[in-house]
Amino acid sequence: GEDVEQSLFLSVREGDSSVINCTYTDSSSTYLYWYKQEPGAGLQLLTYIFSNMDMKQDQRLTVLLNKKDKHLSLRIADTQTGDSAIYFCAETPNSSYKLIFGSGTRLLVRP
Amino acid sequence: DVKVTQSSRYLVKRTGEKVFLECVQDMDHENMFWYRQDPGLGLRLIYFSYDVKMKEKGDIPEGYSVSREKKERFSLILESASTNQTSMYLCASSIGQNTDTQYFGPGTRLTVL
Repeated sequence: GEDVEQSLFLSVREGDSSVINCTYTDSSSTYLYWYKQEPGAGLQLLTYIFSNMDMKQDQRLTVLLNKKDKHLSLRIADTQTGDSAIYFCAETPNSSYKLIFGSGTRLLVRP
Repeated sequence: DVKVTQSSRYLVKRTGEKVFLECVQDMDHENMFWYRQDPGLGLRLIYFSYDVKMKEKGDIPEGYSVSREKKERFSLILESASTNQTSMYLCASSIGQNTDTQYFGPGTRLTVL
């Protein structure tokens, strides 16, 4: 079956690095995504990684993919108070239009 | 720039009312989606549409219907709203290929009293 799991909460100090973890079960997933949702807003695509990649870097964001363990992580360097939000991991199982979402990780950045 | 808009940010309705949630995208995307978001449950797919007048049930279609008469517009209909349909509703669209990126609207927070 298809399932995506994330921890519910992460708290870090401003300036530190944040690492948000996600595990998924569908090994046929072609793309894996990270979305950010700020309070009262919709979801904003942060980044995505193709399943044949191990790592993708985009400015302060680093995505690591371990296909063997079906583990995806999002690292945010130099975390800022504006990074406080809910972060959703999502996968697209092969031959599917659907996105399967995790329950979201609430990141709190303390000054 | 990608733009998905939803007709209302906040909506309050009474039990038994018929409710329409509208979503419009201006990117000529083939696919459109309706999700509901509830605390601790993430996003769950209600319905999606891959072409005008075409629709597919998602994971939780019960109590909902949809309409896609024009490519840019996808409507979610609650025929008879119930309190357990109080939720945040998110619309998304994507270009139309498998595994392509979905772009989301700002969401409609619906409260059913």
